[in-house]
Amino acid sequence: DAGITQSPRHKVTETGTPVTLRCHQTENHRYMYWYRQDPGHGLRLIHYSYGVKDTDKGEVSDGYSVSRSKTEDFLLTLESATSSQTSVYFCAISESGVNSPLHFGNGTRLTVT
Amino acid sequence: QKEVEQNSGPLSVPEGAIASLNCTYSDRGSQSFFWYRQYSGKSPELIMSIYSNGDKEDGRFTAQLNKASQYVSLLIRDSQPSDSATYLCAVTRWAEKLTFGTGTRLTIIP
Repeated sequence: DAGITQSPRHKVTETGTPVTLRCHQTENHRYMYWYRQDPGHGLRLIHYSYGVKDTDKGEVSDGYSVSRSKTEDFLLTLESATSSQTSVYFCAISESGVNSPLHFGNGTRLTVT
Repeated sequence: QKEVEQNSGPLSVPEGAIASLNCTYSDRGSQSFFWYRQYSGKSPELIMSIYSNGDKEDGRFTAQLNKASQYVSLLIRDSQPSDSATYLCAVTRWAEKLTFGTGTRLTIIP
C-alpha cells in the first residue's frame, strides 16, 4: 500500500471552530489532493497541490484552504466549520497527476455539530 | 447532465456470473479513465485504468472504452463475494480535474 497517513481519523467539532486535517505521505509523490465524499455526490475535489507551495482550487473549495510546506505534508483547513462540511475527507497522492492512478489515504470522518 | 454518470444500483449478480458495470461521460475531450473499488467504510482503490479505445484485461477484470459513444465499462468475470463493493468510475477532463461518478453498488450473491 502507498504510504499515506491521514490524521485524525475521526473528529467532532462545533460550528464556527477552525479545523485542520493532515495528510502525510512517504512516497515522495509530487501531486497531492483533498477530496470529500458525500452520499449522492461521490468524490469531489477540494484542493490539490502540484509541488511544495504550489496549490490550486478544485470544484468545492469555498470555506477551505490548504498548505504544503514540505513534499510529504498537505494540510486542509476549514477556517470556520459549518454543518455542510460534515463529510468524509480523503487525501490522495499521484506520481504524475490525474492521468496516472491516485492512491488514497484511509480518510477522516468529520462531523460538525 | 452529470459529467460522469453511473447507475447507482444495487446490482445483484450470482456468484460465478459476469458483472457488468457501465459509466457514461459528457466531455468528448476526456483523456483517461479509471475504475476504483470501494468497500464500505474504506478508501477507494484503483483496479483498472484505460486510455485508448478497446478492451483492457487484467485477471478477472476487463475495462472497455468507446470514446465515440462516450462510455466506459467494467466486466468482472467469475464474480466472487469479495467483489461486493461500490465501483467508482473516474474520468479526467482538464488539467488535474478527475471527475468521479457516484458509484455503482455491486452485490455478489453466493
